[in-house]
Amino acid sequence: SQQGEEDPQALSIQEGENATMNCSYKTSINNLQWYRQNSGRGLVHLILIRSNEREKHSGRLRVTLDTSKKSSSLLITASRAADTASYFCATDGTGGFKTIFGAGTRLFVKA
Amino acid sequence: KAGVTQTPRYLIKTRGQQVTLSCSPISGHRSVSWYQQTPGQGLQFLFEYFSETQRNKGNFPGRFSGRQFSNSRSEMNVSTLELGDSALYLCASSWTDLTNEKLFFGSGTQLSVL
Repeated sequence: SQQGEEDPQALSIQEGENATMNCSYKTSINNLQWYRQNSGRGLVHLILIRSNEREKHSGRLRVTLDTSKKSSSLLITASRAADTASYFCATDGTGGFKTIFGAGTRLFVKA
Repeated sequence: KAGVTQTPRYLIKTRGQQVTLSCSPISGHRSVSWYQQTPGQGLQFLFEYFSETQRNKGNFPGRFSGRQFSNSRSEMNVSTLELGDSALYLCASSWTDLTNEKLFFGSGTQLSVL
């Protein structure tokens, strides 16, 4: 079963706008990661945030984590057409699983 | 340094057949995980191997199996294929089996079962 659930399922924005994706999870975690997947390809790691961190930045990416609400958000600023992809949150899983992925948010950035 | 390599890239099989997929991790990585990705179910965890031992297993029937060799290369096997097994199978590697490590993914094997 999936640990994380992303919201929205799909997002369409204009180039230059900011894109915000949210992830909610069910059980306590040690860390949360965000990955990007271009159509039909493998996933690429974007950023990892630990449970004792509240915010983390990497280039145009900003990730927040609220463990009390069991949620995280990924903000992509000044989006580009090349940011068009699916974005997944992933948590250390329960029941002996290693890393569990959510269903993903499909982002489409129009040029 | 070469990335994670999955072969074959595409595969077409018929119901009832079996299939073997291969994954070569990044040199030095000892952990290999397998995921099944379908439009309806998203990324589902299959299993993870570390130093030739299966460490974790997802909720898949026994038709799905895997193994890891001493050079960390991994194979997964699906026997008695069903139509619902059509999916993108992704392999990911990492240095250890710790969950605070990022995973490096291959491009996947697209399996179509007819």
